Amino acid sequence: DAGITQSPRYKITETGRQVTLMCHQTWSHSYMFWYRQDLGHGLRLIYYSAAADITDKGEVPDGYVVSRSKTENFPLTLESATRSQTSVYFCASTQDRSQLGYTFGSGTRLTVV
Amino acid sequence: AQSVTQPDIHITVSEGASLELRCNYSYGATPYLFWYVQSPGQGLQLLLKYFSGDTLVQGIKGFEAEFKRSQSSFNLRKPSVHWSDAAEYFCAVGAFRRGSYIPTFGRGTSLIVHP
Repeated sequence: DAGITQSPRYKITETGRQVTLMCHQTWSHSYMFWYRQDLGHGLRLIYYSAAADITDKGEVPDGYVVSRSKTENFPLTLESATRSQTSVYFCASTQDRSQLGYTFGSGTRLTVV
Repeated sequence: AQSVTQPDIHITVSEGASLELRCNYSYGATPYLFWYVQSPGQGLQLLLKYFSGDTLVQGIKGFEAEFKRSQSSFNLRKPSVHWSDAAEYFCAVGAFRRGSYIPTFGRGTSLIVHP
């Protein structure tokens, strides 16, 4: 199906484990983003990517790693999960600087126990 | 650095009443401003955006927003609220980086609609 897909929708993991959240878009959008959403904080940018193999840190990048080997995929990895990383994670994409096509995925709810 | 303030955490209105959600921004250059809506368990959907030109912007679902540079505000309005408008609303300001405008979001305002 066309669109932006995040997987899994829900994930429970233990402290210290590595976990990867997947994001896939079918439009070949250049720009992709990862945000986390926490009560009282709104959405905060973790990482973004302007194209394949180009990534930049956002507001809260510590403890996260991203890669973008293919335009359509933008996985987010928590190298050693901590309880403070319990959150809802949103992926988004847009084609160009005009932000006309800024589209969000449905989110991944991650719980670190 | 850019920032967005949404001073109201919760807003409660009766169905059919008018609505105004407040947003104040801080950004050194010409702001690119957005309003998004999030229904429970869903991602964010763009309601409207302001880049330049007419300071009164029309969006989807009957929403509009007015950019006031002198007040650094971009308040969202709707003349008559429907029960289906109950959701979380986010204002965002776009900062230009890497050839795109990266949104910085406010903390959101939760809209509650009473029948």
